Amino acid sequence: QVQLQESGPGLVKPSETLSLTCTVSGGSISRYYWNWIRQPPGKGLEWIGYLFYSGITNYNPSLKSRVTILVDTSKSQFSLKLSSVTAADTAVYYCARDLPGTTSRTFDIWGPGTMVTVSS
Amino acid sequence: QSVLTQPPSVSAAPGQEVTISCSGSSSNIGNNYVSWYQQLPGTAPKFLIYENNKRPSGIPDRFSGSKSGTSATLGITGLQTGDEADYYCGTWDSSLSAVVFGGGTKLTVL
Repeated sequence: QVQLQESGPGLVKPSETLSLTCTVSGGSISRYYWNWIRQPPGKGLEWIGYLFYSGITNYNPSLKSRVTILVDTSKSQFSLKLSSVTAADTAVYYCARDLPGTTSRTFDIWGPGTMVTVSS
Repeated sequence: QSVLTQPPSVSAAPGQEVTISCSGSSSNIGNNYVSWYQQLPGTAPKFLIYENNKRPSGIPDRFSGSKSGTSATLGITGLQTGDEADYYCGTWDSSLSAVVFGGGTKLTVL
């Protein structure tokens, strides 16, 4: 049973870089697409971007200039870096896996999420 | 504003059925698969439907999905109090080159 777990600081100062890690357990990180998705308090979901285990990435154009997603296959982890954060980046951040065997961009496995607050 | 449009809320009595609509355009729903997610309070979303109308194992057949043109619909029959949640539609937008979601619909089982 594949499980995902996000980790990282819960508080980030404005203008600094938000850094989160997602650890994949119970299965391989290889041959799948891995995503970051966020949800501001009381609001809907926003897709941040995906990474294929080989390192290929695709980012939401609205965030592309500030986002980097990397993979460390040796640790079964992938990470998110979001630079120059503002209060608008305050959200619960989820990592999620693409459902294999389809091009539908469906997210079948999600981490529990981690709340990140941007404040001085 | 979300790229996909959902009603903010729907409600129905236990045992009844409800539908949740998701409206988009040719660049998203019209030419790509739609997925649906259920988010119970304080938890991560859980996927219910993929490729417009397919249910993963473990999702009861009370949940169904359909798509017509640039709109999609989630149907839930035999409503239970445990179905109270926020429901989101999602798909790929070929113009934006991004996954897009609806704003979410809060289901209340009266």
